[in-house]
Amino acid sequence: AQSVTQPDIHITVSEGASLELRCNYSYGATPYLFWYVQSPGQGLQLLLKYFSGDTLVQGIKGFEAEFKRSQSSFNLRKPSVHWSDAAEYFCAVGLYNFNKFYFGSGTKLNVKP
Amino acid sequence: NAGVTQTPKFQVLKTGQSMTLQCAQDMNHNSMYWYRQDPGMGLRLIYYSASEGTTDKGEVPNGYNVSRLNKREFSLRLESAAPSQTSVYFCASSARDSRDEQYFGPGTRLTVT
Repeated sequence: AQSVTQPDIHITVSEGASLELRCNYSYGATPYLFWYVQSPGQGLQLLLKYFSGDTLVQGIKGFEAEFKRSQSSFNLRKPSVHWSDAAEYFCAVGLYNFNKFYFGSGTKLNVKP
Repeated sequence: NAGVTQTPKFQVLKTGQSMTLQCAQDMNHNSMYWYRQDPGMGLRLIYYSASEGTTDKGEVPNGYNVSRLNKREFSLRLESAAPSQTSVYFCASSARDSRDEQYFGPGTRLTVT
């Protein structure tokens, strides 16, 4: 069965510090990979996506993610976190040849001043 | 260009009552989706529609029905609401399929007492 794991439920970082949010997936083939961000009371917004090619992808708001096939991972990173990055982050997998998506349980990011 | 709209924003139902959640998109997207979001569980796919006139079950379809009324509109119906259906419901659309970014509506917060 397909699954998406985000092992960190909550993360707190200081403003200006670097950030890495982890995502692992379980799927027989390379899926389409996405990171979304959700601010309180809002819907989800796409940060970045990976289909193929360069395994390091750049997104909006200074985020990047690296696909590692050998580890079935797609971790999200940001070199310097801003207070406005406080939100919940979701990793998602789109299944090749199936019109379905699976989401991780989310990581809530708090940013300390 | 409103993107994805959902009505209502909030709803309280008594156990056994029925209701329909409405969703519309103005981006000419082929695919539409209904998710529920529960704390600590991320988003779970209820139903999706790959094109007008087609619908398919997702992970958690029990207790729900859907209608893809036309290309723009995709409604979710609860025939006999149960407290376990208390959740936040999100509608989303994508241009084609799981390769594409999903655009989310603002959500409907449903409480069943």
